[in-house]
Amino acid sequence: SQKIEQNSEALNIQEGKTATLTCNYTNYSPAYLQWYRQDPGRGPVFLLLIRENEKEKRKERLKVTFDTTLKQSLFHITASQPADSATYLCALERGNTGKLIFGQGTTLQVKP
Amino acid sequence: EAGVVQSPRYKIIEKKQPVAFWCNPISGHNTLYWYLQNLGQGPELLIRYENEEAVDDSQLPKDRFSAERLKGVDSTLKIQPAELGDSAVYLCASSSSGLPLNEQFFGPGTRLTVL
Repeated sequence: SQKIEQNSEALNIQEGKTATLTCNYTNYSPAYLQWYRQDPGRGPVFLLLIRENEKEKRKERLKVTFDTTLKQSLFHITASQPADSATYLCALERGNTGKLIFGQGTTLQVKP
Repeated sequence: EAGVVQSPRYKIIEKKQPVAFWCNPISGHNTLYWYLQNLGQGPELLIRYENEEAVDDSQLPKDRFSAERLKGVDSTLKIQPAELGDSAVYLCASSSSGLPLNEQFFGPGTRLTVL
């Protein structure tokens, strides 16, 4: 079965630096890969989607890459701010099923 | 536009008691999901509805869990009887099947504590 691995250790960085979070998966390559942000006591919020035929996707200070050979996605936040502190979840979707499999999330802490 | 609404936000019950969670999705969203999220883990799908039809309930423990979406709008998830291991956050999400990206919109969740 498909497994998703995100770094379970919290990532602590200084404000202004670039945060890089990793999402690795096993088995089949998904048609889509999504990244969500989750704040304590709240549900996940969609950030970005990248398709299997896309290498990179950007949105403001966010950038996602997708390497189907390495079976890995990287999520970057440039010029990070304390407000970026949250847990970031990657999720895979196979085909157009709408069924997402989530990783366990990585907690990012940006210090001023 | 209102987001996904869930109630209650918190629920504390004793084991073997029943409990129910309610979800109202975003207006016009045909697809509704119930997820379970344990502490430090990502959400896990319990059941997915397309309108009033449950199209994927393979992960729903049917001996104690049940769900319904009678009119294809709001939905209820029930646990009877609850066990200690059911303590978790129960998330509801919705999406429009017309959206090509299948972006899911999540509610705030119901935190269940079983004593």
